[in-house]
Amino acid sequence: ETGVTQSPTHLIKTRGQQVTLRCSSQSGHNTVSWYQQALGQGPQFIFQYYREEENGRGNFPPRFSGLQFPNYSSELNVNALELDDSALYLCASSLGLGPYNEQFFGPGTRLTVL
Amino acid sequence: AQKVTQAQTEISVVEKEDVTLDCVYETRDTTYYLFWYKQPPSGELVFLIRRNSFDEQNEISGRYSWNFQKSTSSFNFTITASQVVDSAVYFCALSEAIGGADGLTFGKGTHLIIQP
Repeated sequence: ETGVTQSPTHLIKTRGQQVTLRCSSQSGHNTVSWYQQALGQGPQFIFQYYREEENGRGNFPPRFSGLQFPNYSSELNVNALELDDSALYLCASSLGLGPYNEQFFGPGTRLTVL
Repeated sequence: AQKVTQAQTEISVVEKEDVTLDCVYETRDTTYYLFWYKQPPSGELVFLIRRNSFDEQNEISGRYSWNFQKSTSSFNFTITASQVVDSAVYFCALSEAIGGADGLTFGKGTHLIIQP
């Protein structure tokens, strides 16, 4: 196990609703990245937070937003849910920026939008 | 823009056979990193290897080996004497070196099935 935890494990929402997913990073890790993995696809980068600031963002609309807290845990918020938002959401923590820092992934939150 | 292609959607072999998973990447950067991850049915991505663009040495770790060839933009992964526990989805990923602000770019994955 990586020490990265995510909650909840599963979630069912209705189109148009809002959802908040949570991630606790591995102890000492100050960088958290979020990924969306649709069924049968590879994970897609949503955004990254470093020391409570958004450091980079993938090709996702503004209704995907995030936060990182002083203890480096993080939240992913999705507003106005669409059916295509149904996916496994993965968070990964690392010790600092840069790809030379290994990213440790959590088990994911499976979101179903009906 | 960076891109990773894993052309093999699914591979099925019998236990103890050797199997190679292909990965081809595209990037405009001269400095980049390549990764392989394993995703068992539980969903958690397990890190297998990281390789930077300046290190073309092949690597062997137990039954796993990786062949990095910049000339063909490929980073292939071979499992020798496969075991049922190797069954999983395997992802190849790429990250360009500047701050990693674009995150990892993953391929679509190869579903490896090892039959007893």
